[in-house]
Amino acid sequence: AQSVTQLGSHVSVSEGALVLLRCNYSSSVPPYLFWYVQYPNQGLQLLLKYTTGATLVKGINGFEAEFKKSETSFHLTKPSAHMSDAAEYFCALNFGGGADGLTFGKGTHLIIQP
Amino acid sequence: DAGVIQSPRHEVTEMGQEVTLRCKPISGHNSLFWYRQTMMRGLELLIYFNNNVPIDDSGMPEDRFSAKMPNASFSTLKIQPSEPRDSAVYFCASRSSDNEQFFGPGTRLTVL
Repeated sequence: AQSVTQLGSHVSVSEGALVLLRCNYSSSVPPYLFWYVQYPNQGLQLLLKYTTGATLVKGINGFEAEFKKSETSFHLTKPSAHMSDAAEYFCALNFGGGADGLTFGKGTHLIIQP
Repeated sequence: DAGVIQSPRHEVTEMGQEVTLRCKPISGHNSLFWYRQTMMRGLELLIYFNNNVPIDDSGMPEDRFSAKMPNASFSTLKIQPSEPRDSAVYFCASRSSDNEQFFGPGTRLTVL
């Protein structure tokens, strides 16, 4: 069975510092991988996705993620944190060419210190 | 584009009552998903439809839960009878042709 593990339920960084949110997956077949962001009392918004091809994926709001098959990882990064990045971030995967439902990690709450 | 529309946004009911959550997917999206979010269990897939047909309902917790999609523009998730442990945020999402899922704002359900 597939699973997603997000290391660190809370991550705190200073404004302007590097953001690194970790995601590892377990899967017997190549998955599609996604990062979503959730602001308080809102739905989930897609940041970026990896399907096939280039392993470094760029998304919205300056975020990017790199798919590393050997490490079964899909970590999310942003060079310089902004106060508006404070939110809950979810890593997710699915199969069937992306057609199936998503399996989510537990989420990481990103805190930005002024 | 109005996005995925869910109603109601908040629902407070008493144990034993029937609850119906509604979802209108984005026009042209052929797949619809229902998820539940709780503090204890995180985000879980309940059921999903392709072309109005239920494909995988293995995530539906009990027979008290049922979902329908009578047409391409409407789906319901019903809980009958409701219990306090059903309290959660329920999200509907629809999938685009390039396999991106777009989420609605959610329905926050409180069962007293």
